[in-house]
This record gives sequence, C-alpha cells and structure tokens, in this order.
Amino acid sequence: AQKITQTQPGMFVQEKEAVTLDCTYDTSDPSYGLFWYKQPSSGEMIFLIYQGSYDQQNATEGRYSLNFQKARKSANLVISASQLGDSAMYFCAMRGKGSSYKLIFGSGTRLLVRP
Amino acid sequence: GAGVSQSPRYKVAKRGQDVALRCDPISGHVSLFWYQQALGQGPEFLTYFQNEAQLDKSGLPSDRFFAERPEGSVSTLKIQRTQQEDSAVYLCASSSETGSYNEQFFGPGTRLTVL
Repeated sequence: AQKITQTQPGMFVQEKEAVTLDCTYDTSDPSYGLFWYKQPSSGEMIFLIYQGSYDQQNATEGRYSLNFQKARKSANLVISASQLGDSAMYFCAMRGKGSSYKLIFGSGTRLLVRP
Repeated sequence: GAGVSQSPRYKVAKRGQDVALRCDPISGHVSLFWYQQALGQGPEFLTYFQNEAQLDKSGLPSDRFFAERPEGSVSTLKIQRTQQEDSAVYLCASSSETGSYNEQFFGPGTRLTVL
C-alpha cells in the first residue's frame, strides 16, 4: 500500500532562516509523483512544488526546494528565508497508483515562523 | 481566471439530515476529485471523475455518500442521513490532463458540522 509519513507535527523557525520539513513515502510503483501543499488558516490547499520519480534533479520553485532522496524514499521540503506568511500547515502528498491520479496525503506539519 | 469554488462554505446539519455540497471546477478541467479532511488530519480521497464518468469511488466511506457530475463540469457530493462522524471539511479539486504532473487545484472547502 502507498503511504506518506510526516513525523513532525509542529515546527518553529525564526524569520529569515531556512527550515526543512520531513516527508518519507512508501510505494512499490516505479513511477510516482510527489507534491507539497501549503494550507493556511483559510483552508485552501496551495500547490508548492512537484517532484517526479524519474526527475534527475531536485525540484526548485522560488524559495521552495525539494530534497529528493530516492533510495531513502524521502522528499523533504526546504523553505529558505522564511517569512511570517509561511506560517501554515504543510502537507506532503503522493500521486496514487492507478488511473485516478488521486493524491495520498500525510498528516501534515504545522510551521510557525517567529518574528 | 476563476479558481475552484465550493458552496456552501459552512453547513450545519442535524444528525439524520441529508446534505448536498457543490463544486464548480476550473473551466475546461476534465478531472475532478473529492477529498474529506477531518480536523487535524490530511485530506483523504473520496472519489474521482473524468468528465461525467465516475472512475474511482473507492474512498467513499459508506453507501450514504453519493457523488455526481452529470454534465462533466459542476459536481455535487451528497451525504444521506448524516452522522456525527461525517463532520469534516470536504475539499474539491480539479485538474487538466495536459500537465505532465497532473497538478490538482483545490477549492476552499465546505466545513460540515453534524450536531
């Protein structure tokens, strides 16, 4: 079965510093996609970054980068130069098996950025 | 352009009542997903449509849950004889088939509270 594990229920980071949010996954499918979403208190899920299992390079998107270690089955999100607006829930997700492309989410990490 | 919209944003139902939740996907998006997010948890997949065809309903928790998308655009999630355990945020997401990674765009959700 496919599974996403986020072991950090909550994290603090000082404004302007970098922070890493952990994500490990389990799948037997050789082809898969990994996603990170941000969910502020308003509730809407905001797409941040994507990594394909066959991508040779780690994905980057502005201040977000994904530290993809395939052998370890980890896909950690790195946020550089944290801003107060980065305070939110962060979810790691994997595109599931089969043709439905459903996303399988982890339990999330709540990030609080301190001024 | 407009994003995914959902209505109502909040719904309070008495136990045993039927409810209907609406999702308006991004225009032209062929794929539509429903997820259920319990408090403090990540979203969990309920069902998937490609145009008007419901291709995956493996996540629907019981036969009290029913979803439809009759014309391949707007979708309705119906819950019959609501129970307290149905209290959650119901998220709708849509995606186009043109993206190689099939990014899903989420609506703001409907928060259902069953008393």
